[in-house]
Amino acid sequence: GEDVEQSLFLSVREGDSSVINCTYTDSSSTYLYWYKQEPGAGLQLLTYIFSNMDMKQDQRLTVLLNKKDKHLSLRIADTQTGDSAIYFCAENINQGGKLIFGQGTELSVKP
Amino acid sequence: GAVVSQHPSWVICKSGTSVKIECRSLDFQATTMFWYRQFPKQSLMLMATSNEGSKATYEQGVEKDKFLINHASLTLSTLTVTSAHPEDSSFYICSATIPSGRGQSVAYEQYFGPGTRLTVT
Repeated sequence: GEDVEQSLFLSVREGDSSVINCTYTDSSSTYLYWYKQEPGAGLQLLTYIFSNMDMKQDQRLTVLLNKKDKHLSLRIADTQTGDSAIYFCAENINQGGKLIFGQGTELSVKP
Repeated sequence: GAVVSQHPSWVICKSGTSVKIECRSLDFQATTMFWYRQFPKQSLMLMATSNEGSKATYEQGVEKDKFLINHASLTLSTLTVTSAHPEDSSFYICSATIPSGRGQSVAYEQYFGPGTRLTVT
């Protein structure tokens, strides 16, 4: 069945780079997504990558996809305290937009 | 960007009563909306897929008679928690999708509402 796994916590210092990792099991995924959730709020779409791409960069965000290993990562350059949040990866497993989410990685940025 | 609103943002109700939560896409039309439930420190659990003009598709284990979903227009879906009990207390989040691209390369950008905190006493 479909499964998306993430490490639960990551702590970095302000100004460092953060790398959040995700693995998934469904090789038929067409798109993979990264979302950010701040406390008590909904999810904010950060970026997504098509499954035939290896990398996508968007300002401070870099997404790397290793389709062979079913591994996805999100790199945040120059991490700021405002980046502290929970980050979810998700895969799109069929037409119509249904997503399967990982457990979320809580990013803590220390000054 | 696309904006999705939810109303109310929080609600407290007595056990046995029903609560309706609204989800609206403010600046786009959404043929498909999704309803999720999230427990503290946990991921989102998909409850159902709401399609405009047709019956919702519920995930396994979700009681369709307890969680009534109506998607009456392209901008509004409602979730009604009927005969609510304390174990229904949770954070309910809706989302609406915008397809981008064509054919095999369609990406479904999913935009989320701010969530509704339901507390059943």
